[in-house]
Amino acid sequence: AQSVAQPEDQVNVAEGNPLTVKCTYSVSGNPYLFWYVQYPNRGLQFLLKYITGDNLVKGSYGFEAEFNKSQTSFHLKKPSALVSDSALYFCAVRDRGAGNKLTFGGGTRVLVKP
Amino acid sequence: DAGVIQSPRHEVTEMGQEVTLRCKPISGHNSLFWYRQTMMRGLELLIYFNNNVPIDDSGMPEDRFSAKMPNASFSTLKIQPSEPRDSAVYFCASILGGGEPGELFFGEGSRLTVL
Repeated sequence: AQSVAQPEDQVNVAEGNPLTVKCTYSVSGNPYLFWYVQYPNRGLQFLLKYITGDNLVKGSYGFEAEFNKSQTSFHLKKPSALVSDSALYFCAVRDRGAGNKLTFGGGTRVLVKP
Repeated sequence: DAGVIQSPRHEVTEMGQEVTLRCKPISGHNSLFWYRQTMMRGLELLIYFNNNVPIDDSGMPEDRFSAKMPNASFSTLKIQPSEPRDSAVYFCASILGGGEPGELFFGEGSRLTVL
């Protein structure tokens, strides 16, 4: 079985400050890990993914995420948040042996204040 | 590419009525997923198809829900009879499976309200 936990329902940050959205996962094998973002009344959009190799993954809109196998974490980060980054963020995991099935976390709402 | 296309975008119906949601995946994608999003339960995977064949329907809530994929370019999610607790946003998503995992492309969703 595969699962994802996003411990924070909401993260508040001032514009220009660093942003971190936490994610931990559980899989029986080795994971593929993803971050998606959802703006109001829209579908989810892909941000970045970890497949293999370098633990630091860079994605769209200046976001990056660090894979930490020992802590089973894949936290999303952005050095300097923008008001336009305010959205709902989802972490997702896919077990390498589980076909195409992607399991999403509960989502974290990010609010960036001017 | 037009992306994943879902219809209708909004549906308001009365309890007991049949609801059919439609999805056209991205051309060439061979896996299709139906998700349901609610405030209480978040994003739930209902069912997914590989090459038009249902692979995992363990997320389908009950027998009132059914999904079909008669060909590679069309899928439906049907609720019969509908109940107020089915009110949610239903997302369809597609991906080109096989090889290195790519990104899942989501439609804009179908917002269902059952009165």
